[in-house]
Amino acid sequence: GAVVSQHPSRVICKSGTSVKIECRSLDFQATTMFWYRQFPKQSLMLMATSNEGSKATYEQGVEKDKFLINHASLTLSTLTVTSAHPEDSSFYICSADPRLSGGIEAFFGQGTRLTVV
Amino acid sequence: RKEVEQDPGPFNVPEGATVAFNCTYSNSASQSFFWYRQDCRKEPKLLMSVYSSGNEDGRFTAQLNRASQYISLLIRDSKLSDSATYLCVVRPTDSWGKLQFGAGTQVVVTP
Repeated sequence: GAVVSQHPSRVICKSGTSVKIECRSLDFQATTMFWYRQFPKQSLMLMATSNEGSKATYEQGVEKDKFLINHASLTLSTLTVTSAHPEDSSFYICSADPRLSGGIEAFFGQGTRLTVV
Repeated sequence: RKEVEQDPGPFNVPEGATVAFNCTYSNSASQSFFWYRQDCRKEPKLLMSVYSSGNEDGRFTAQLNRASQYISLLIRDSKLSDSATYLCVVRPTDSWGKLQFGAGTQVVVTP
């Protein structure tokens, strides 16, 4: 099956700094990636859809200037949390468009646990 | 109202017993349904897709009731390794790539 690799798996940063999370497709070209966020005891919530070579599409309530998404190549999408604050502490996870794997299963990266102190 | 709702549990299940739980969804036009398993805040992993006629995969049985807009998961002969959070996932008809997740049902299998 398709493999999606996400790094880092865990990061602790100081309030006000920026953090970059990478999501790579290892054995296929991902023209579309999805970024989710999951707070404790809550469901995964879609933040944005990352499209290779074009601007990302953000879900309602997600600040595009705070969560910068870059999808410059067919194998890499990045999410940068700018000027992070403690309320941004969460589990961030990417997934690849399932159509690309020829099926309907969505493939997820390993997730990034962000803690802002 | 949440798009996908689940009983958060936890469901405490003795090893070898059967446990079942449901998930309800609000969008009647939803196209595809899945159960994913998530361990300790790791990435979700597909457990099984849910088909209209119901389907079984080993000890796991999934059912879909479109009229009442719910899906169910039954686990027979529970193993300690079944302890996890089970996520109900729905794909809307109008949005192939986007998935809607329930908050998960926690299952704890005890010796």
